[in-house]
Amino acid sequence: TQLLEQSPQFLSIQEGENLTVYCNSSSVFSSLQWYRQEPGEGPVLLVTVVTGGEVKKLKRLTFQFGDARKDSSLHITAAQPGDTGLYLCAGGLNYGGSQGNLIFGKGTKLSVKP
Amino acid sequence: KAGVTQTPRYLIKTRGQQVTLSCSPISGHRSVSWYQQTPGQGLQFLFEYFSETQRNKGNFPGRFSGRQFSNSRSEMNVSTLELGDSALYLCASSLLGWSGLGSYEQYFGPGTRLTVT
Repeated sequence: TQLLEQSPQFLSIQEGENLTVYCNSSSVFSSLQWYRQEPGEGPVLLVTVVTGGEVKKLKRLTFQFGDARKDSSLHITAAQPGDTGLYLCAGGLNYGGSQGNLIFGKGTKLSVKP
Repeated sequence: KAGVTQTPRYLIKTRGQQVTLSCSPISGHRSVSWYQQTPGQGLQFLFEYFSETQRNKGNFPGRFSGRQFSNSRSEMNVSTLELGDSALYLCASSLLGWSGLGSYEQYFGPGTRLTVT
């Protein structure tokens, strides 16, 4: 069974602070996706990274895919209360199987206080 | 373009009953995947359907089943409900499902919150 470990599990910060969330695995992924999920709702896709070393920016969010395509990070600059939510990373597999096409981490629960 | 819709949004059932959940994918998407999300286990893959055929299946007991119709709408069924089946059930649609070309994107519905008492 392949695993994606996310850290930290919980993060509580003040508005305006910067933060980084990590997603690590011993497996190589064909792609890596980040989602944000709010309570009672489904995850919303934020970004997909495909190439090792790739960096993508989405306003104050910066996503990086590791060179070896085994890990990824999400950095948020000047966090705002609206960034609060559960951040999930998901690694794409080259084949389907009992884990499906995507392996999900358990998420980082972020709380940004005004 | 309308997103993924799931019905019902909330459901309360008694142990031993059965339940059917429905998912309508984004128009044009042919792949539908189902996940169970719980606080302890996170998102766990149930199964994927593509063009009315089950393509992948997760490690869930046979009480969990699904199907897909010709219009790509999908249903999942859980028979003989157990307390541990209480969870958020999410469906996600994707244009073609996994293509092996390096990028795979799926879009989630809002989920059905199932409570088994």
